[in-house]
Amino acid sequence: NAGVTQTPKFRVLKTGQSMTLLCAQDMNHEYMYWYRQDPGMGLRLIHYSVGEGTTAKGEVPDGYNVSRLKKQNFLLGLESAAPSQTSVYFCASSEVNSYEQYFGPGTRLTVT
Amino acid sequence: QKEVEQDPGPLSVPEGAIVSLNCTYSNSAFQYFMWYRQYSRKGPELLMYTYSSGNKEDGRFTAQVDKSSKYISLFIRDSQPSDSATYLCAMSRDNYGQNFVFGPGTRLSVLP
Repeated sequence: NAGVTQTPKFRVLKTGQSMTLLCAQDMNHEYMYWYRQDPGMGLRLIHYSVGEGTTAKGEVPDGYNVSRLKKQNFLLGLESAAPSQTSVYFCASSEVNSYEQYFGPGTRLTVT
Repeated sequence: QKEVEQDPGPLSVPEGAIVSLNCTYSNSAFQYFMWYRQYSRKGPELLMYTYSSGNKEDGRFTAQVDKSSKYISLFIRDSQPSDSATYLCAMSRDNYGQNFVFGPGTRLSVLP
């Protein structure tokens, strides 16, 4: 039981490049989330999904897109990376309407 | 004013000390209060959960909520070097994960 896994662990991008972050969970959770964590800012929700095929915007969605084609996977895309997107990205999952979220180990992204 | 405020630390204490970590918030509708622990370069993990006001104890950890003052605390008794981590408070008006608001975290170091 791996829990929540994220790929890749580290990435350096140049401004304007694109990439996709992959999140996978093996707990059969309905809900999945993408957060970014920046110093002094706490975790901020980018997008979330309450089930396969559904996605919704969080607090800071601009510059990101997501897809949830399979229940166990949640993809976060950056179409044209900007230095302001340098951050640590965390994926999380939870059961329906549960206060407990299970987080992945994070992806450290640097955009130069 | 940020919705949830937390002293970023770092807070350094000797092993065995009692530690008090605190958050203040501005939204009186918050009813669900959580503490997450985050080790360096890892994802957060749920430590304590409290609904509405009052105290909750789990081993060496006690969570306290004072809704009248909009103030929550996490106490750690007999602190250990293994408690060295960043502690994030999180809160919400409901238990829908997409509505959680996280504090920026307090970094704690317990010195042997």
